[in-house]
Amino acid sequence: GESVGLHLPTLSVQEGDNSIINCAYSNSASDYFIWYKQESGKGPQFIIDIRSNMDKRQGQRVTVLLNKTVKHLSLQIAATQPGDSAVYFCAENIGTGFQKLVFGTGTRLLVSP
Amino acid sequence: ETGVTQSPTHLIKTRGQQVTLRCSSQSGHNTVSWYQQALGQGPQFIFQYYREEENGRGNFPPRFSGLQFPNYSSELNVNALELDDSALYLCASSLGADTGEQYFGPGTRLTVT
Repeated sequence: GESVGLHLPTLSVQEGDNSIINCAYSNSASDYFIWYKQESGKGPQFIIDIRSNMDKRQGQRVTVLLNKTVKHLSLQIAATQPGDSAVYFCAENIGTGFQKLVFGTGTRLLVSP
Repeated sequence: ETGVTQSPTHLIKTRGQQVTLRCSSQSGHNTVSWYQQALGQGPQFIFQYYREEENGRGNFPPRFSGLQFPNYSSELNVNALELDDSALYLCASSLGADTGEQYFGPGTRLTVT
């Protein structure tokens, strides 16, 4: 498959560890944030989202934290598995009346067995 | 439920030519957004179509145009191709123009020589 990100920040963890991926967003007026996972040769896959009126949201094995004061978003993955290896993107919606997602640069997560 | 599909998978064109890429939205979704993803970068928003009309646009020149059909499938057309247009082109469908999760297709890899 093709390489999604050639020179991305990389987070290397052991299987079973918890992973934290961070993201800084740009627009203080953004009201909707999403984390996507992209495996090589595939389109981004929705993981979890959060609206600006919340500061934490939990899914299955994943938690997203939003700190609007410093415009920071994080994705926590519990008990990381080799299948979690991928590039992770945060995205913010800056559109009004339509969704215009602005994606971050991405972080490559490598999970070792 | 059928996911987002795109065709073709890969395409090679010559500079100056025109190309049409196709996207079928997920069943029940009425909104399609198109993104360009250069190698090693996050997707960049091109435009969104909602109920057969362009509903929002990113910073792409007019030679990038699109259509949405009554069945909500969509086309992306690029005229006068340039070398820098080489990228993965992604479409994402959602239910609603400004709300709802965007689900991405696998993308079309366009190479311009």
